[in-house]
Amino acid sequence: QKEVEQNSGPLSVPEGAIASLNCTYSDRGSQSFFWYRQYSGKSPELIMSIYSNGDKEDGRFTAQLNKASQYVSLLIRDSQPSDSATYLCAVNTDYKLSFGAGTTVTVRA
Amino acid sequence: DTEVTQTPKHLVMGMTNKKSLKCEQHMGHRAMYWYKQKAKKPPELMFVYSYEKLSINESVPSRFSPECPNSSLLNLHLHALQPEDSALYLCASSLGTDGEQYFGPGTRLTVT
Repeated sequence: QKEVEQNSGPLSVPEGAIASLNCTYSDRGSQSFFWYRQYSGKSPELIMSIYSNGDKEDGRFTAQLNKASQYVSLLIRDSQPSDSATYLCAVNTDYKLSFGAGTTVTVRA
Repeated sequence: DTEVTQTPKHLVMGMTNKKSLKCEQHMGHRAMYWYKQKAKKPPELMFVYSYEKLSINESVPSRFSPECPNSSLLNLHLHALQPEDSALYLCASSLGTDGEQYFGPGTRLTVT
């Protein structure tokens, strides 16, 4: 079983819609959770971090964490063409960051 | 400022060469990392330094040798690499080893 799994995508959404990304993790001891955005040919850019159960909102992004279900999600509201990228879920367990395979999102103008 | 810098941006080396990748941060972070990323794959952790000491080595071959000269600098020394080592090498730093990691732009390495 992979440590971090993401819905594989690709995900195509129209401009202005909500993009929903999901991630599950295998280790119940994991304590910190992150979403990174990576444009083609660039390095990962941190967009959200979440440490406790519930929702965390930052602009058009909302991260949700449910430790009981070992589930993390990211919602992108009012999607823009500039949101087209690969989104990586990352989970920190025992001071090591493990990444999911990534979900490629395309926002159609 | 959340900037991590890496040099060089691109590197082409032969299998018998010795080269070094450099990484620098001035955010006062005490943890620094090396990752390797192949095309269309997520980053894979190679090494973790915490307070300038190597704390995690993810069974990386000895042809990769990390060094942390001080709290702001991280090097990765390369020797006798193989073509399959061609990848994007990413440096990251964080305040502590369980916190937010910020990535540099990466060095794109090609081994011929």
